[in-house]
Amino acid sequence: DTAVSQTPKYLVTQMGNDKSIKCEQNLGHDTMYWYKQDSKKFLKIMFSYNNKELIINETVPNRFSPKSPDKAHLNLHINSLELGDSAVYFCASSQDWAMRNEQFFGPGTRLTVL
Amino acid sequence: KNEVEQSPQNLTAQEGEFITINCSYSVGISALHWLQQHPGGGIVSLFMLSSGKKKHGRLIATINIQEKHSSLHITASHPRDSAVYICAVKRAAGNKLTFGGGTRVLVKP
Repeated sequence: DTAVSQTPKYLVTQMGNDKSIKCEQNLGHDTMYWYKQDSKKFLKIMFSYNNKELIINETVPNRFSPKSPDKAHLNLHINSLELGDSAVYFCASSQDWAMRNEQFFGPGTRLTVL
Repeated sequence: KNEVEQSPQNLTAQEGEFITINCSYSVGISALHWLQQHPGGGIVSLFMLSSGKKKHGRLIATINIQEKHSSLHITASHPRDSAVYICAVKRAAGNKLTFGGGTRVLVKP
């Protein structure tokens, strides 16, 4: 059983389109995260939700809108895609917001904007 | 300058060699994570530590809070250890991880 799953794994789209990436965790964790890994391989936090509530919102364009329908799901919707949005996006979860335990990562979604 | 610096950026070793990766940070932290990113892209958490030393199989992680430094050691390295190893710190205040740039390790048979 996959602990943290993301769909799709690959996403190729044109500039200006709107797309969504879905994430689900079956670990019973309270906290979920979205990270962006750029071409230089640096990972940066974008958002964090704890029990469906937003707790971290880094300096991310408001074209990016996370949605957490329940604590097992955290989806990422991106409007008006730009070339600079091309990256690998990782979803992750941890037991609680205090991060007293390890994080579990999804397999990543490679987004390419043409 | 990044809050989390790793060295070296790249490392090539022969199978069986002892490998050390270093991580230095400039902020007060409550925990430090070591992650492994496989060539296929997946990320796995190896260790989370706030003091002392942890061992799992051939991997050993140490941290010195006073010196703001951590090391990840791989004993008897194997080609399957080839990956990017990433250090991340959780600040004493706040609930997010700040990541180093990663160390790309290649172990040749």
